[in-house]
Amino acid sequence: GQQVMQIPQYQHVQEGEDFTTYCNSSTTLSNIQWYKQRPGGHPVFLIQLVKSGEVKKQKRLTFQFGEAKKNSSLHITATQTTDVGTYFCAGGGSARQLTFGSGTQLTVLP
Amino acid sequence: KAGVTQTPRYLIKTRGQQVTLSCSPISGHRSVSWYQQTPGQGLQFLFEYFSETQRNKGNFPGRFSGRQFSNSRSEMNVSTLELGDSALYLCASYLWGTDTQYFGPGTRLTVL
Repeated sequence: GQQVMQIPQYQHVQEGEDFTTYCNSSTTLSNIQWYKQRPGGHPVFLIQLVKSGEVKKQKRLTFQFGEAKKNSSLHITATQTTDVGTYFCAGGGSARQLTFGSGTQLTVLP
Repeated sequence: KAGVTQTPRYLIKTRGQQVTLSCSPISGHRSVSWYQQTPGQGLQFLFEYFSETQRNKGNFPGRFSGRQFSNSRSEMNVSTLELGDSALYLCASYLWGTDTQYFGPGTRLTVL
């Protein structure tokens, strides 16, 4: 079945540093979504990428979808303490179910 | 619009018991998916419902079942609980034909 690998599992950064998390799928994805889960909270939808090579920005967050639609990345510029949480990618394949990556837990040190 | 609601928020059960969790989707959303979240396995898909029909099922044993009612509310049931069923159970609702899922706060199930 479809597998989505996400690295790194943990990332500690100083406030103001950049952060990147990467996702790789074993199969071609129809789309990829990114979610953020704050400690003790539930996943909150951030964005969906559909097109090959697509790049989308949300303020300090930049999302990319690979040309082959098998990988994706989320980059945060100049992290803030409010960025703390676990970031998940989720791949949409031929079935409607989403396959989530294992998540990257981001800690931002003040 | 009100978000996805799940009840109860916390539940403590003992091995062998059964449990029913409830999910009310966002108004107008007819699709509901259930996920199990554990520290070791992450977010794993359980099943998806649309118009009272199960459309997809994840790789979970038959002890896990669900259903959806005509008002789109959904329930999931776990019978013969095991210690390993301790997890956060998340429900997500969405419009059929779209992929953006809106998660509820989850039900934290502890099996003793």
